[in-house]
Amino acid sequence: GQQLNQSPQSMFIQEGEDVSMNCTSSSIFNTWLWYKQDPGEGPVLLIALYKAGELTSNGRLTAQFGITRKDSFLNISASIPSDVGIYFCAGQWDDKIIFGKGTRLHILP
Amino acid sequence: NAGVTQTPKFQVLKTGQSMTLQCAQDMNHNSMYWYRQDPGMGLRLIYYSASEGTTDKGEVPNGYNVSRLNKREFSLRLESAAPSQTSVYFCASSSRGRNQPQHFGDGTRLSIL
Repeated sequence: GQQLNQSPQSMFIQEGEDVSMNCTSSSIFNTWLWYKQDPGEGPVLLIALYKAGELTSNGRLTAQFGITRKDSFLNISASIPSDVGIYFCAGQWDDKIIFGKGTRLHILP
Repeated sequence: NAGVTQTPKFQVLKTGQSMTLQCAQDMNHNSMYWYRQDPGMGLRLIYYSASEGTTDKGEVPNGYNVSRLNKREFSLRLESAAPSQTSVYFCASSSRGRNQPQHFGDGTRLSIL
């Protein structure tokens, strides 16, 4: 079946550093989504990308829809403590969606 | 700003007991979904409902049933709970149309002893 490979699985960074994570697939998607999940809560949509090559920002977050439609990345600039959590990518086509296994972000004091 | 509301938030069951997880959305969305989340496995789709009156199996439907009661509500039932169904269950909804993003509830944490 279709799979998304999300990397890295986890990251340990210092506050203020930039963060980069990505998702790749052997399948083509019409939409790429990035979610963040805080402990004890459900995933919250951060950014939705609808066109190949699209680059979209949401505050300190920037995400891109890969030209091949098989990958996407998420960057976080100047990380702060509240960025801690699990970030999920999701690839969508029509009414089908699959999720990556998540990148757990830790910020060291 | 209720969005997607799930009840209960926590539940402990004994093996063999039955249970219904409730989900309601107030965003007038057509599509609703049930996922389970297990450590290291990400989110896996159990069942979904593209519109009122329709339901379809997802990736891991065995051991579950669903009911799309009306446009707002989509319930998930475990008829005979098993320890393998210990998980965090998330309900989500999305509006009509291709590639509409899903919005999630805060989850139900279910333990089967």
